Amino acid sequence: ENVLTQSPDILSLSPGERATLSCRASRGLNSNLLAWYQQKPGQAPRLLISGAVTRAPGIPDRFRGSGSGTDFTLTISSLEPEDFAVYYCLQYNIALWTFGQGTKVEI
Amino acid sequence: QVRLVQSGAEVKRPGASVKVSCKTSGYNFTRYSITWVRQAPGDRLEWLGWINTSELKTKYSQKFQDRITLSSDTSTTTAYLELRSLTSEDTAVYYCARPLADWGQGTLVSVSS
Repeated sequence: ENVLTQSPDILSLSPGERATLSCRASRGLNSNLLAWYQQKPGQAPRLLISGAVTRAPGIPDRFRGSGSGTDFTLTISSLEPEDFAVYYCLQYNIALWTFGQGTKVEI
Repeated sequence: QVRLVQSGAEVKRPGASVKVSCKTSGYNFTRYSITWVRQAPGDRLEWLGWINTSELKTKYSQKFQDRITLSSDTSTTTAYLELRSLTSEDTAVYYCARPLADWGQGTLVSVSS
């Protein structure tokens, strides 16, 4: 199993600040099959990024995905109030998914 | 638009089974797989398995392999998750998803004696 480890567990920031979230895989990901999700309480996860770098339709350009191999980053350039949530990375190797443990971005 | 609508909350006794449905609409059902994910209270997302709705092939997480069955019905464009031998550790919100972007609203399954 390809284990994903996210850091930090909690990120305390203010609106307008930059957020940098990390996701490290225990083994390299083929074709960079890595996604990022945002989840708010009581809601299903919302896809932000797929293929490590491609924003999903309707996702603001303040969200940027980068990285390859085993190290991936989600950057939120300037936090808006609605961005405070939990963020998960996901590796979606064919027919086998694993999630990171999540990073909570809090005010 | 694409919609995935799941069945309602369930309360089960330990040792029982649960079957959750995921009614889809707005797309060609057999062109996309359906994945199931769960989330225990305050915990991370956890992948359960996947069904190819065209070939009806399945792949399960090793953790659940012995007590999970995924199925689908093309005539009603509905996918199903059955989980057996429930324990309190199976208390969670269960989600179906059309990878990667489209998710159901979640179904809370509570297991308690």
